[in-house]
Amino acid sequence: GAVVSQHPSRVICKSGTSVKIECRSLDFQATTMFWYRQFPKQSLMLMATSNEGSKATYEQGVEKDKFLINHASLTLSTLTVTSAHPEDSSFYICSAAGEPVQNTEAFFGQGTRLTVV
Amino acid sequence: DAKTTQPPSMDCAEGRAANLPCNHSTISGNEYVYWYRQIHSQGPQYIIHGLKNNETNEMASLIITEDRKSSTLILPHATLRDTAVYYCIVRVAGWTGNQFYFGTGTSLTVIP
Repeated sequence: GAVVSQHPSRVICKSGTSVKIECRSLDFQATTMFWYRQFPKQSLMLMATSNEGSKATYEQGVEKDKFLINHASLTLSTLTVTSAHPEDSSFYICSAAGEPVQNTEAFFGQGTRLTVV
Repeated sequence: DAKTTQPPSMDCAEGRAANLPCNHSTISGNEYVYWYRQIHSQGPQYIIHGLKNNETNEMASLIITEDRKSSTLILPHATLRDTAVYYCIVRVAGWTGNQFYFGTGTSLTVIP
């Protein structure tokens, strides 16, 4: 299947700083990317959906000013956690979907483990 | 919002078939059934998807009931590496922007 790469895989940052996570589709053009957050022993929670060249659509309860999403090209989307706090520590996962084929699947990155200290 | 119901956990003996059920009684005509799995601390892995016909690939088979209100994922010969959380998702087709909402999934443990 298609490959989606996330970087970094792990990051530790100090409270109050910002962290950027990159998500790249390596062998296809991702018209849409999704960002998820997963707390321990819980399911994936969709945070936002982004289409290349337009503003992201955030799920209810997700602060758009705290979780900045940029989808500037068909192969790259970034999630920036601004002014991170310990409660933002989580597993962040991106996924990408390709050309508008009617029933395309989405492919997931390997995830980024964020720890805020 | 997730529109599927799955048992929280299941066990399966190594080498035997693992049958994972999923209820999606409110599925609409333009929604596909997708299955993903997540091995601990990794991103979800795509397994299979279908609309109304049964589907088979190198990983698994997907059996969808005639009324489409439920489906079963079949791993024909489970191995220890199949231990994971399996998610059943229904999603509208037609546009890549249609979201994948994850439910609680089924934690499958393959026992030696």
